[in-house]
Amino acid sequence: GAVVSQHPSWVICKSGTSVKIECRSLDFQATTMFWYRQFPKQSLMLMATSNEGSKATYEQGVEKDKFLINHASLTLSTLTVTSAHPEDSSFYICSALSGGRAGELFFGEGSRLTVL
Amino acid sequence: AQSVTQPDIHITVSEGASLELRCNYSYGATPYLFWYVQSPGQGLQLLLKYFSGDTLVQGIKGFEAEFKRSQSSFNLRKPSVHWSDAAEYFCAVGSNDYKLSFGAGTTVTVRA
Repeated sequence: GAVVSQHPSWVICKSGTSVKIECRSLDFQATTMFWYRQFPKQSLMLMATSNEGSKATYEQGVEKDKFLINHASLTLSTLTVTSAHPEDSSFYICSALSGGRAGELFFGEGSRLTVL
Repeated sequence: AQSVTQPDIHITVSEGASLELRCNYSYGATPYLFWYVQSPGQGLQLLLKYFSGDTLVQGIKGFEAEFKRSQSSFNLRKPSVHWSDAAEYFCAVGSNDYKLSFGAGTTVTVRA
């Protein structure tokens, strides 16, 4: 099946620094990718929709200046957590929509961010 | 607004026994419904999905789900669980924009 890869899978950073997480669709082109955030023992919350070549669409309550999303190519979307703080510690998961197969959403393995 | 309720936080089942995970949704139109499984520290794997047509949907790993519009439910079932089925299961609802709303998840523990 199609593979979506996230990198890094695990990152620790100091408070105040910025962290970039990559989401790549390895064997298909994805015009649309989604970024989710998952707190421990909780569900996934949609943060934003990333569209190739255009600005991301953020869900209500998500700070666009805090979580910068760039979808520069059909196989790569990046999420940058700017000036990270401990409350930003979470599991970030991306998904990519395969246009070639209707209804096929593929999820990455997730990236765990810990901010000290 | 769309939402999903998974009433059972945790289910323990014996290996070989049947499993049913409940999912109720709230959605204004015909929903797209999904079941995903997540192993610890991993991403989500699609078990099955319903868009239209036959209300009984077959998925991977021997799972099936039944869409019942009258009950706003999309329960997941497996006739005989294996130890490898121990994981977190998420029900999700969306539409053709694929912006999914997830339930809180049900943790399944399989005992020998």
